[in-house]
Amino acid sequence: QSVLTQPPSTSGTPGQGVIISCSGSSSNIGRNSVNWYRQLPGTAPKLLICDNDQRPSGVPDRFSGSKSGTSASLAISGLQSEDEADYYCTTWDDSVTDWVFGGGTKLTVL
Amino acid sequence: EVHLLESGGGLVQPGGSLTLSCAASGFTFSAHGMSWVRQAPGKGLEWVSGISGTGGSTNYADSKVSSRFIVTRDNSKNMVYLQMNSLGAEDTAVYFCAKHSAFNYAYASYFDSWGQGTLVTVSS
Repeated sequence: QSVLTQPPSTSGTPGQGVIISCSGSSSNIGRNSVNWYRQLPGTAPKLLICDNDQRPSGVPDRFSGSKSGTSASLAISGLQSEDEADYYCTTWDDSVTDWVFGGGTKLTVL
Repeated sequence: EVHLLESGGGLVQPGGSLTLSCAASGFTFSAHGMSWVRQAPGKGLEWVSGISGTGGSTNYADSKVSSRFIVTRDNSKNMVYLQMNSLGAEDTAVYFCAKHSAFNYAYASYFDSWGQGTLVTVSS
């Protein structure tokens, strides 16, 4: 059972948009910034969004993040086949003094 | 360009020990916290341990590894290590080395680069 809650899966067609949610609590998302990672099968995670809504250099503006209260979201617009991957949210938890992750959301591009 | 290369994984018997290494390059190593994150087969990501830039502060995922794992770093060699003892089947995973965006490994930082991982299999 992950500390942060993500939907196990979502899907969309090319060109569409999807939103992946990440729900936490006052000790984690409520107090600290959320970061998002994409992981292709058999590869290392790659940073997509940092500090809730900041895109690192090289990340397309199709990806955007937001946070409100104890929840965060990753929005992907203009879906492409290469977006098919697992997506994870993470943040620091002040209560357990650990980094906590969501269980991951598998995005399928139909 | 940041490069992180893990090594030291392999097959180990239950109750055994293993030390993982992570060689870092492409950045000022001592200025960044480092973490180990693992991923069991078919499962999600799980933070294991973190260490500050100087190595003076460390932390572990409580109850799961804190009494069995030790994280260290050698800033003269740009290396970070994870010594793992009393290994059990639940420790079977790919172990990733990750660089933090800041000096510390906790809040106000994030994992901005990852290695490709090294597989640890605990089995008799």
